[in-house]
Amino acid sequence: RKEVEQDPGPFNVPEGATVAFNCTYSNSASQSFFWYRQDCRKEPKLLMSVYSSGNEDGRFTAQLNRASQYISLLIRDSKLSDSATYLCVVNAADSGYALNFGKGTSLLVTP
Amino acid sequence: DAGVTQSPTHLIKTRGQHVTLRCSPISGHKSVSWYQQVLGQGPQFIFQYYEKEERGRGNFPDRFSARQFPNYSSELNVNALLLGDSALYLCASSLDGTGTFEQYFGPGTRLTVT
Repeated sequence: RKEVEQDPGPFNVPEGATVAFNCTYSNSASQSFFWYRQDCRKEPKLLMSVYSSGNEDGRFTAQLNRASQYISLLIRDSKLSDSATYLCVVNAADSGYALNFGKGTSLLVTP
Repeated sequence: DAGVTQSPTHLIKTRGQHVTLRCSPISGHKSVSWYQQVLGQGPQFIFQYYEKEERGRGNFPDRFSARQFPNYSSELNVNALLLGDSALYLCASSLDGTGTFEQYFGPGTRLTVT
């Protein structure tokens, strides 16, 4: 079983739609949680860290449920420029502080 | 401020050869991590270095090695290249090696092994 699992996607949504991505992780020792965005053939870019209390950055909202080992990302009012692959990332102290990435979920926002 | 830089950007090698990839972290960052990303997958952790010491190693063969220099830059070496080593190699830097701080990625080196 992979340490981080994400919705397989792809998600095709119209501009203005709300879309949610889900992610589960298997290591209960996980300490830090992130969403990264990756454009085609580019490097991953940090979108936001995910905190236990949940956090929001503009149109983006991230939630963490430690009991269920579940992370989510909500994107409201989708823009064409949101089209990318979204990577769920977990960092665990017992794995040398390495980042464990999910496979990614592809989002395509259409006009 | 300059971000994470990597060189070269692209590289073509033949099976059996070796390769050295280079990374310079963001100024002030002391930790460097290396990741391998094959097409359609998320990045896979290879190494983490902090203050010139190896802090973690992923599930990669001994053909992969790395080091960090006093100026915090780093090299990733891969010996006896296999076709399966073809991938995007990403370097990430962070302030320290605790995992508390976010990691920022460089543009990567795209390695093709023929």
